[in-house]
Amino acid sequence: GESVGLHLPTLSVQEGDNSIINCAYSNSASDYFIWYKQESGKGPQFIIDIRSNMDKRQGQRVTVLLNKTVKHLSLQIAATQPGDSAVYFCAENFNNQGGKLIFGQGTELSVKP
Amino acid sequence: DAGVIQSPRHEVTEMGQEVTLRCKPISGHNSLFWYRQTMMRGLELLIYFNNNVPIDDSGMPEDRFSAKMPNASFSTLKIQPSEPRDSAVYFCASSKGVNLPYEQYFGPGTRLTVT
Repeated sequence: GESVGLHLPTLSVQEGDNSIINCAYSNSASDYFIWYKQESGKGPQFIIDIRSNMDKRQGQRVTVLLNKTVKHLSLQIAATQPGDSAVYFCAENFNNQGGKLIFGQGTELSVKP
Repeated sequence: DAGVIQSPRHEVTEMGQEVTLRCKPISGHNSLFWYRQTMMRGLELLIYFNNNVPIDDSGMPEDRFSAKMPNASFSTLKIQPSEPRDSAVYFCASSKGVNLPYEQYFGPGTRLTVT
């Protein structure tokens, strides 16, 4: 029979534009968040993290924003490049739990040259 | 530095056969995680260890799945007997431990196909 898979949200941007990828997390008690990037055929790769006592953190070309009021996380990528094409996952940790992370379903970013 | 090492990278087996996936975490990391990724269910945590001790195996699908970590540098995930629905990419990840930051470093994955 035909299988039904996850329909990942997809974001398509032009090279050079800024990208914003959004994530709604599940637990209001979560105190630590990570963004991962997964390229085709590879394992997820760490991009940036943020703790719940912050609302913004910047890295190289990336910024993560945290809005605890509405349990929302976003990843902004400046001057998006073709190499940024990948699936992006947010992950959360709450109550420590030995460093356990709960991953979201992911967003596929496609960069058009 | 070597990252997380997984073997084999690809495995094709017939239904009913035993499958063993292997993982070598990053040296000095105290926590190890096994994940399964499928189109249907996304990235799922199966089990994780801290200091070689299983902490949470609530994600293990059923008794056909078992995982061990005999020492700090090696872990196995075994499926016996395997079924077609076990076909997925299995990732191993390691982290420094239970304290912040909780960044996990992922291996390249093992693509398992059960026919």
